[in-house]
Amino acid sequence: QVQLVESGGGVVQSGRSLRLSCAASGFTFSNFAMHWVRQAPGKGLEWVAVISYDGSHKYYADSVKGRFTISRDNSKNTLFLQMNSLRPEDTAVYYCARDRQLLIDYWGQGTLVTVSS
Amino acid sequence: SYVLTQPPSVSVAPGKTASITCGGNNIGNKSVHWYQQKPGQAPILVIYYDSDRPSGIPERFSGSNSGNTATLTISRVEAGDEADYYCQVWTGTSDHCVFGSGTTVTVL
Repeated sequence: QVQLVESGGGVVQSGRSLRLSCAASGFTFSNFAMHWVRQAPGKGLEWVAVISYDGSHKYYADSVKGRFTISRDNSKNTLFLQMNSLRPEDTAVYYCARDRQLLIDYWGQGTLVTVSS
Repeated sequence: SYVLTQPPSVSVAPGKTASITCGGNNIGNKSVHWYQQKPGQAPILVIYYDSDRPSGIPERFSGSNSGNTATLTISRVEAGDEADYYCQVWTGTSDHCVFGSGTTVTVL
């Protein structure tokens, strides 16, 4: 079965960096685009970024463009999110999610990132 | 940027029908997907491409999309349907994924 397991979350000071990982299993990772979606405490879902199946195309939400970088290692079935210049408003649960023709069909359980000021 | 508008909350009695709207400019020209999220859990897909149901999702869940409004309908509502529901589209012009603001469904 499809499994997506995020890691790398934690507490970080404003202005610092953090790298999230998502280990994928149960499907052919290199065939699917992948997303990061976040959810601030008590708030709704906010899309962060998407990367194509081969890593050649990447798109970002305006709120993170220039600060966050999505990448993947298909040889290790792993998705990444490098987050730089973090701000308190980046505090959220970050979900790794699988794309199926521009919809999300599977989600991980999420990893919490807390940015302190 | 493209905005999807949902009512913050919908209340419904057990056995009745809940309708959750998702408003957007000419949303009828886009494919709309719906997600259910229960407290402390990751979202799950309940409707895709406006009206298709993934395997395992009850037939009580249905969707429609026309003009400026997409609608998720839950028939014969059960207590287990209490959750937040989000609509989602892909904006082809800006290559962005957009979620609606979310609707909390409360079963009375």
